[in-house]
Amino acid sequence: DAGVIQSPRHEVTEMGQEVTLRCKPISGHNSLFWYRQTMMRGLELLIYFNNNVPIDDSGMPEDRFSAKMPNASFSTLKIQPSEPRDSAVYFCASREQGHEQYFGPGTRLTVT
Amino acid sequence: RKEVEQDPGPFNVPEGATVAFNCTYSNSASQSFFWYRQDCRKEPKLLMSVYSSGNEDGRFTAQLNRASQYISLLIRDSKLSDSATYLCVVNKGNYQLIWGAGTKLIIKP
Repeated sequence: DAGVIQSPRHEVTEMGQEVTLRCKPISGHNSLFWYRQTMMRGLELLIYFNNNVPIDDSGMPEDRFSAKMPNASFSTLKIQPSEPRDSAVYFCASREQGHEQYFGPGTRLTVT
Repeated sequence: RKEVEQDPGPFNVPEGATVAFNCTYSNSASQSFFWYRQDCRKEPKLLMSVYSSGNEDGRFTAQLNRASQYISLLIRDSKLSDSATYLCVVNKGNYQLIWGAGTKLIIKP
């Protein structure tokens, strides 16, 4: 089992640029989560999908953030335009209903 | 008040000692509980689920106290490799996992 796959692992971009983060959940898992982690705020849930449908996006900071899940094996988190305060580690996690979450290795984003 | 609270630490503990963390939660309707471990610059990984009757996995023991609304994690005979941040997670229902900010543990030789 390959686990949750995220790409890129590291991203450095300039303020104002568009950033797209990608996630492939574990096959068979029907729930997908995007998190952001910073030293100041800890682990924050951004959005949750169930069976490819966004259920709760109340954690998305603002309109600059958007997420999609076009099929069961792929999701993207997009930031447009990016700002320095978006610098963080972004984790994707997936799970089967009722079971624990498995996290991907994360994307370390730096916006200069 | 945060929904899930943990002492951020760090806890500096000599190798071989026993260490315990608590985590308090505010929602009495919370249904399930977990401890995750996160190593520096890595993703969180499930350490153990916490059951009402308490559960043990080797050197690790987790307990739930619903009356006082806290969960605990006990680590016996601590190893250098136990150094990590331990995250308390509370499931309010369905997908609503509430994460604590984590407790940092440093095991010293």
